[in-house]
Amino acid sequence: AQSVTQLGSHVSVSEGALVLLRCNYSSSVPPYLFWYVQYPNQGLQLLLKYTTGATLVKGINGFEAEFKKSETSFHLTKPSAHMSDAAEYFCAVSDNAGNMLTFGGGTRLMVKP
Amino acid sequence: GAGVSQSPSNKVTEKGKDVELRCDPISGHTALYWYRQSLGQGLEFLIYFQGNSAPDKSGLPSDRFSAERTGGSVSTLTIQRTQQEDSAVYLCASSFDRGFTDTQYFGPGTRLTVL
Repeated sequence: AQSVTQLGSHVSVSEGALVLLRCNYSSSVPPYLFWYVQYPNQGLQLLLKYTTGATLVKGINGFEAEFKKSETSFHLTKPSAHMSDAAEYFCAVSDNAGNMLTFGGGTRLMVKP
Repeated sequence: GAGVSQSPSNKVTEKGKDVELRCDPISGHTALYWYRQSLGQGLEFLIYFQGNSAPDKSGLPSDRFSAERTGGSVSTLTIQRTQQEDSAVYLCASSFDRGFTDTQYFGPGTRLTVL
């Protein structure tokens, strides 16, 4: 069975500061990892995904994430936060044993001016 | 170029009534998923359709929930005898092929409120 843990249901940063959203997963087979963003009253939008290959993955809006197998982590980072980054972020995992995504509990990012 | 669309965007119903939620996937996408997003449970998988294969219903919480996909395109999620705990946002997603590597594209959701 797969699971995803996102540490911190709420994260607050100042505009221009580093964004770090944490994600740890549990999977018995090589995982495929995703980060989605959800703006208020909207659906989920893919930020980036890791399937195979390079462990540092770059996504949209300046976000990136690094797959660290030894730490079972896939933390999301952005060097400099913008006000427009305020949203809820979801980490998810799938593997070739299942067809669905298993999501973490989400982290709400707040950006202070 | 249209994305996944869902209707209605909001649905308020009385306990015990049946509801139908509709999802129009992206044209050409063979895989379709339903998820539920609620305060207490987060985002949960409900059901998955792939082409003409039998659907994966492993996430449906009870036999009051059912879904169908007609002609490999539009899908309807039906909840019978709704309960207050069914109140949630129901999200539909589609992907080109198999979801575990392919990106799932999500619709805006249907917010269901059961009074």
